[in-house]
Amino acid sequence: KAGVTQTPRYLIKTRGQQVTLSCSPISGHRSVSWYQQTPGQGLQFLFEYFSETQRNKGNFPGRFSGRQFSNSRSEMNVSTLELGDSALYLCASSEGPGAPAFFGQGTRLTVV
Amino acid sequence: KQEVTQIPAALSVPEGENLVLNCSFTDSAIYNLQWFRQDPGKGLTSLLLIQSSQREQTSGRLNASLDKSSGRSTLYIAASQPGDSATYLCAVGLYSGAGSYQLTFGKGTKLSVIP
Repeated sequence: KAGVTQTPRYLIKTRGQQVTLSCSPISGHRSVSWYQQTPGQGLQFLFEYFSETQRNKGNFPGRFSGRQFSNSRSEMNVSTLELGDSALYLCASSEGPGAPAFFGQGTRLTVV
Repeated sequence: KQEVTQIPAALSVPEGENLVLNCSFTDSAIYNLQWFRQDPGKGLTSLLLIQSSQREQTSGRLNASLDKSSGRSTLYIAASQPGDSATYLCAVGLYSGAGSYQLTFGKGTKLSVIP
Protein backbone atom coordinates (compact mmCIF):
# COMPACT_ATOMS: atom_id res chain seq x y z
CA LYS A 1 0.00 0.00 0.00
CA ALA A 2 1.36 3.39 -0.97
CA GLY A 3 1.92 5.85 1.84
CA VAL A 4 0.75 9.43 2.15
CA THR A 5 2.04 11.48 -0.77
CA GLN A 6 2.56 15.21 -0.58
CA THR A 7 3.41 17.39 -3.53
CA PRO A 8 5.45 19.35 -4.18
CA ARG A 9 8.27 18.50 -1.76
CA TYR A 10 9.84 21.94 -1.93
CA LEU A 11 8.52 25.38 -2.80
CA ILE A 12 9.99 28.84 -2.85
CA LYS A 13 7.52 31.70 -3.05
CA THR A 14 7.64 35.47 -2.74
CA ARG A 15 5.79 37.46 -0.10
CA GLY A 16 2.26 38.29 -1.20
CA GLN A 17 1.91 35.29 -3.50
CA GLN A 18 -0.39 32.36 -2.87
CA VAL A 19 0.41 28.66 -2.79
CA THR A 20 -1.48 25.37 -3.02
CA LEU A 21 -0.18 22.18 -1.46
CA SER A 22 -1.54 18.72 -2.24
CA CYS A 23 -1.94 15.57 -0.18
CA SER A 24 -2.97 12.10 -1.38
CA PRO A 25 -3.90 9.88 1.58
CA ILE A 26 -3.39 6.17 1.95
CA SER A 27 -5.96 4.26 -0.07
CA GLY A 28 -9.10 3.75 1.99
CA HIS A 29 -8.33 6.52 4.46
CA ARG A 30 -11.07 9.13 4.67
CA SER A 31 -9.60 11.47 7.28
CA VAL A 32 -6.91 13.99 6.37
CA SER A 33 -5.28 16.47 8.73
CA TRP A 34 -2.76 19.21 8.08
CA TYR A 35 -0.02 20.49 10.40
CA GLN A 36 2.52 23.29 10.24
CA GLN A 37 5.96 22.61 11.71
CA THR A 38 8.40 25.39 12.58
CA PRO A 39 11.51 25.31 14.80
CA GLY A 40 9.99 27.73 17.28
CA GLN A 41 6.40 26.51 17.55
CA GLY A 42 6.80 22.83 16.76
CA LEU A 43 3.86 21.04 15.15
CA GLN A 44 0.63 23.00 15.11
CA PHE A 45 -2.74 21.73 13.93
CA LEU A 46 -4.23 23.45 10.87
CA PHE A 47 -7.33 21.50 9.74
CA GLU A 48 -9.03 18.14 9.83
CA TYR A 49 -11.20 16.83 6.99
CA PHE A 50 -13.41 13.77 6.96
CA SER A 51 -15.58 12.79 4.01
CA GLU A 52 -15.09 16.17 2.33
CA THR A 53 -16.15 18.13 5.42
CA GLN A 54 -13.87 20.33 7.48
CA ARG A 55 -14.57 19.19 11.02
CA ASN A 56 -11.97 21.18 12.89
CA LYS A 57 -9.65 24.11 12.33
CA GLY A 58 -6.69 25.29 14.35
CA ASN A 59 -5.85 28.82 15.40
CA PHE A 60 -4.62 30.13 12.08
CA PRO A 61 -5.73 33.22 10.11
CA GLY A 62 -8.23 33.02 7.31
CA ARG A 63 -5.39 33.13 4.76
CA PHE A 64 -5.06 29.41 5.43
CA SER A 65 -7.78 27.34 3.82
CA GLY A 66 -8.26 23.83 2.58
CA ARG A 67 -10.59 21.33 1.03
CA GLN A 68 -11.04 17.63 0.53
CA PHE A 69 -12.26 15.95 -2.62
CA SER A 70 -14.54 12.95 -3.05
CA ASN A 71 -11.50 10.67 -3.52
CA SER A 72 -10.19 11.89 -0.12
CA ARG A 73 -7.32 13.82 -1.67
CA SER A 74 -6.85 17.17 0.03
CA GLU A 75 -5.38 20.54 -0.79
CA MET A 76 -4.45 23.45 1.38
CA ASN A 77 -4.06 26.98 0.19
CA VAL A 78 -2.22 29.89 1.73
CA SER A 79 -2.92 33.34 0.29
CA THR A 80 -0.94 36.54 0.68
CA LEU A 81 2.15 34.73 1.89
CA GLU A 82 4.20 36.17 4.74
CA LEU A 83 7.79 35.40 5.73
CA GLY A 84 6.46 33.71 8.86
CA ASP A 85 4.62 31.13 6.75
CA SER A 86 7.94 29.48 5.95
CA ALA A 87 7.61 26.01 7.44
CA LEU A 88 7.32 22.30 6.82
CA TYR A 89 3.67 21.50 6.08
CA LEU A 90 2.71 17.96 6.97
CA CYS A 91 -0.35 16.00 5.98
CA ALA A 92 -1.60 12.96 7.89
CA SER A 93 -4.22 10.43 6.90
CA SER A 94 -6.15 7.90 8.93
CA GLU A 95 -9.09 5.55 8.51
CA GLY A 96 -11.12 7.92 10.62
CA PRO A 97 -10.92 10.30 13.57
CA GLY A 98 -9.01 8.68 16.41
CA ALA A 99 -7.38 6.00 14.27
CA PRO A 100 -3.57 5.88 13.94
CA ALA A 101 -2.29 8.78 11.87
CA PHE A 102 0.23 8.26 9.07
CA PHE A 103 2.21 11.23 7.85
CA GLY A 104 3.60 12.22 4.50
CA GLN A 105 7.12 13.53 3.95
CA GLY A 106 5.90 17.10 3.99
CA THR A 107 6.20 20.15 1.77
CA ARG A 108 8.97 22.55 2.68
CA LEU A 109 7.72 26.08 1.94
CA THR A 110 10.16 28.96 1.93
CA VAL A 111 8.80 32.50 1.59
CA VAL A 112 11.34 35.12 0.52
CA LYS B 1 -6.34 24.13 26.16
CA GLN B 2 -4.28 20.95 26.02
CA GLU B 3 -0.54 21.43 26.49
CA VAL B 4 2.00 18.69 25.92
CA THR B 5 5.51 18.83 27.37
CA GLN B 6 8.43 16.57 26.59
CA ILE B 7 11.47 16.38 28.81
CA PRO B 8 14.36 16.36 28.14
CA ALA B 9 14.56 18.38 24.94
CA ALA B 10 17.72 16.51 23.97
CA LEU B 11 19.40 13.33 25.14
CA SER B 12 22.69 11.68 24.25
CA VAL B 13 23.39 8.08 25.27
CA PRO B 14 25.99 5.42 24.41
CA GLU B 15 24.93 2.54 22.19
CA GLY B 16 23.32 -0.35 24.06
CA GLU B 17 21.87 1.72 26.85
CA ASN B 18 18.20 1.51 27.82
CA LEU B 19 16.45 4.87 27.98
CA VAL B 20 13.15 6.53 28.85
CA LEU B 21 11.55 9.53 27.16
CA ASN B 22 8.90 11.45 29.03
CA CYS B 23 5.70 13.15 27.94
CA SER B 24 3.21 15.03 30.12
CA PHE B 25 -0.15 16.57 29.23
CA THR B 26 -2.46 18.95 31.07
CA ASP B 27 -5.94 17.64 30.16
CA SER B 28 -6.50 14.02 31.15
CA ALA B 29 -9.66 13.69 29.01
CA ILE B 30 -7.69 12.28 26.12
CA TYR B 31 -8.90 9.79 23.52
CA ASN B 32 -5.50 8.30 22.79
CA LEU B 33 -1.79 9.07 22.68
CA GLN B 34 0.61 8.39 19.86
CA TRP B 35 4.42 8.34 19.75
CA PHE B 36 6.23 9.26 16.54
CA ARG B 37 9.82 9.57 15.39
CA GLN B 38 11.04 12.17 12.94
CA ASP B 39 14.31 12.04 11.06
CA PRO B 40 15.85 15.37 9.98
CA GLY B 41 13.86 17.03 7.20
CA LYS B 42 11.43 14.15 6.98
CA GLY B 43 7.86 13.38 7.91
CA LEU B 44 6.72 11.54 11.02
CA THR B 45 6.80 7.78 11.45
CA SER B 46 4.19 6.31 13.77
CA LEU B 47 5.71 4.12 16.50
CA LEU B 48 2.98 3.25 18.97
CA LEU B 49 -0.60 4.28 19.70
CA ILE B 50 -2.16 3.81 23.15
CA GLN B 51 -5.90 4.11 23.61
CA SER B 52 -7.06 5.95 26.73
CA SER B 53 -8.30 2.65 28.22
CA GLN B 54 -4.88 0.98 27.84
CA ARG B 55 -1.87 1.14 30.14
CA GLU B 56 0.86 0.19 27.69
CA GLN B 57 1.77 -0.93 24.20
CA THR B 58 4.85 -2.76 22.98
CA SER B 59 6.51 -3.03 19.60
CA GLY B 60 9.90 -4.73 19.39
CA ARG B 61 12.37 -2.80 21.54
CA LEU B 62 9.83 -0.05 22.23
CA ASN B 63 7.37 0.08 25.11
CA ALA B 64 5.01 2.98 25.73
CA SER B 65 3.05 3.45 28.92
CA LEU B 66 0.13 5.73 29.73
CA ASP B 67 -1.05 7.05 33.09
CA LYS B 68 -4.05 9.16 32.20
CA SER B 69 -4.85 10.25 35.73
CA SER B 70 -1.43 11.79 36.25
CA GLY B 71 -1.18 13.08 32.69
CA ARG B 72 1.97 11.14 31.80
CA SER B 73 3.32 8.82 29.18
CA THR B 74 6.76 7.28 28.80
CA LEU B 75 8.51 5.70 25.84
CA TYR B 76 11.06 3.07 26.83
CA ILE B 77 13.70 2.10 24.28
CA ALA B 78 15.71 -1.02 25.07
CA ALA B 79 19.27 -1.66 23.90
CA SER B 80 19.54 1.60 21.95
CA GLN B 81 21.23 1.62 18.52
CA PRO B 82 22.70 4.46 16.42
CA GLY B 83 19.75 4.03 14.03
CA ASP B 84 17.45 5.11 16.86
CA SER B 85 18.89 8.63 16.62
CA ALA B 86 15.98 10.92 15.74
CA THR B 87 13.51 13.30 17.32
CA TYR B 88 10.73 11.55 19.23
CA LEU B 89 7.37 13.26 19.40
CA CYS B 90 4.46 12.60 21.70
CA ALA B 91 0.97 13.54 20.47
CA VAL B 92 -2.23 13.54 22.47
CA GLY B 93 -5.50 12.87 20.66
CA LEU B 94 -8.61 14.73 21.77
CA TYR B 95 -12.19 14.79 20.58
CA SER B 96 -13.66 18.28 20.63
CA GLY B 97 -17.04 19.67 19.65
CA ALA B 98 -19.01 18.22 16.72
CA GLY B 99 -17.01 15.00 16.84
CA SER B 100 -13.84 16.55 15.55
CA TYR B 101 -10.51 15.04 16.50
CA GLN B 102 -7.04 16.52 16.59
CA LEU B 103 -3.55 15.68 17.75
CA THR B 104 -1.67 18.08 20.01
CA PHE B 105 2.07 17.59 19.86
CA GLY B 106 4.92 18.13 22.26
CA LYS B 107 8.07 19.75 20.92
CA GLY B 108 9.96 16.49 20.98
CA THR B 109 13.07 14.93 22.45
CA LYS B 110 16.10 14.82 20.17
CA LEU B 111 17.89 11.52 20.80
CA SER B 112 21.49 10.85 19.81
CA VAL B 113 22.86 7.33 20.25
CA ILE B 114 26.65 7.35 20.21
CA PRO B 115 28.38 4.27 18.70
